[in-house]
Amino acid sequence: QKEVEQDPGPLSVPEGAIVSLNCTYSNSAFQYFMWYRQYSRKGPELLMYTYSSGNKEDGRFTAQVDKSSKYISLFIRDSQPSDSATYLCAMRKDSNYQLIWGAGTKLIIKP
Amino acid sequence: DSGVTQTPKHLITATGQRVTLRCSPRSGDLSVYWYQQSLDQGLQFLIQYYNGEERAKGNILERFSAQQFPDLHSELNLSSLELGDSALYFCASSARLASEQYFGPGTRLTVT
Repeated sequence: QKEVEQDPGPLSVPEGAIVSLNCTYSNSAFQYFMWYRQYSRKGPELLMYTYSSGNKEDGRFTAQVDKSSKYISLFIRDSQPSDSATYLCAMRKDSNYQLIWGAGTKLIIKP
Repeated sequence: DSGVTQTPKHLITATGQRVTLRCSPRSGDLSVYWYQQSLDQGLQFLIQYYNGEERAKGNILERFSAQQFPDLHSELNLSSLELGDSALYFCASSARLASEQYFGPGTRLTVT
C-alpha cells in the first residue's frame, strides 16, 4: 500500500462547478501538506501549503486537512478551463525533509 | 516563473551515452532536489542537496549521480543511458532544508 493515495482521474467537470480533489494517507506522522498544479509537460507549481489540521483559503482555492481521517482536500470554486491540469498532493513529517507525493489527479474543466 | 532555471530544455541522445543536466536554484535557496517523471507517471524523488552536501536519497540508480557546487547550482549526471531513462527531469529548490519546494521547467530527455 502506498503511503499517499490519490485518484488519477481524469475528473471532468463543467466550467463554473466546484471541484473537490482528495488524497488519503496512512502515516499519522505527516504534518505538512501541499498541493501542486502541473500543466502538461511543465514544472509543478506550488498552490497551497498547510501545517497540521484545518482550512486555508487563497482566492478560489481552499485546502482542507483532516488528520483524524488522514484525508486532505483541495476545493476549487468557480472552476475555469485554465484550471485544467494535473493536481499533485505532497506531504512530509515534521522530522523528515523528504516529500511523499501522490500520483496526481488529472482535472479537465469543460467550457 | 519560479526562479529556478534548468538547462538544457530538451536533450536527445543514444543508449549507452552520458549526459549532464544543470539546475540553478532560486536566489537565496540553499537546497536543491532532483526528480524524475516518466510519461504519465508521478514524480519520483531522486536526491537532495543542501549547501553542497547530500542530505537525502530516493530511488536514484547507481548510474546516476549529482552534486551541488559552491555557487549552489547543481548538476545531475546520467550515464550508460537506457531507453527507460527517457523522462522529464525536474529540479526544485527551497530556502531551507524542509521549506516549500519550487520547481524549474524541467529537462526533457529522450534516449533513442
